[in-house]
Amino acid sequence: GAVVSQHPSWVICKSGTSVKIECRSLDFQATTMFWYRQFPKQSLMLMATSNEGSKATYEQGVEKDKFLINHASLTLSTLTVTSAHPEDSSFYICSARDQGTGSPLHFGNGTRLTVT
Amino acid sequence: QKEVEQNSGPLSVPEGAIASLNCTYSDRGSQSFFWYRQYSGKSPELIMSIYSNGDKEDGRFTAQLNKASQYVSLLIRDSQPSDSATYLCAVRGVTGNQFYFGTGTSLTVIP
Repeated sequence: GAVVSQHPSWVICKSGTSVKIECRSLDFQATTMFWYRQFPKQSLMLMATSNEGSKATYEQGVEKDKFLINHASLTLSTLTVTSAHPEDSSFYICSARDQGTGSPLHFGNGTRLTVT
Repeated sequence: QKEVEQNSGPLSVPEGAIASLNCTYSDRGSQSFFWYRQYSGKSPELIMSIYSNGDKEDGRFTAQLNKASQYVSLLIRDSQPSDSATYLCAVRGVTGNQFYFGTGTSLTVIP
């Protein structure tokens, strides 16, 4: 089945530093990947749609200069949280689907970011 | 109106009972419907996909779709404590590249 690998699974960083999260589709090509954020006991919140070879589409209220997305190949998308602050601490999850009609989204295992 | 609506629960059922989870969606043109399970602190995992009206069974899980009523449900038979999780209903948008998630229903199976 379709597998999405996300790395790292957790990261602790100091306020003001940047953190990069990688999302890879291991056995399929994904022209589109999705980045979500989830705070404790809350629902998934779509941050942005990552498009291979073009700019990401950000949801309203998500700062594109703070959350940099790069989708350089059909199997890799990265999310960089720049100048992280404690309020950016959250669970970040990527997802992708293969190209078959009706294919579901497959999620990575998520990255738990803690900014101290 | 939200694209996908679920009762947030929490829903509690005794072990061995049937758990029934419900979901409605607003876009009548939607064709693909999914149920995900999310354990606390983990990412969602796909448990069922359904595309046609009627029932689809997979082990203890049965997904039901009624496009006329814009309604999707998930039944879990012989519920186990390990089924305790949040269940997310997802609908793929008509354009194909958008997925809309409900807020999830929290299920607790009591031993």
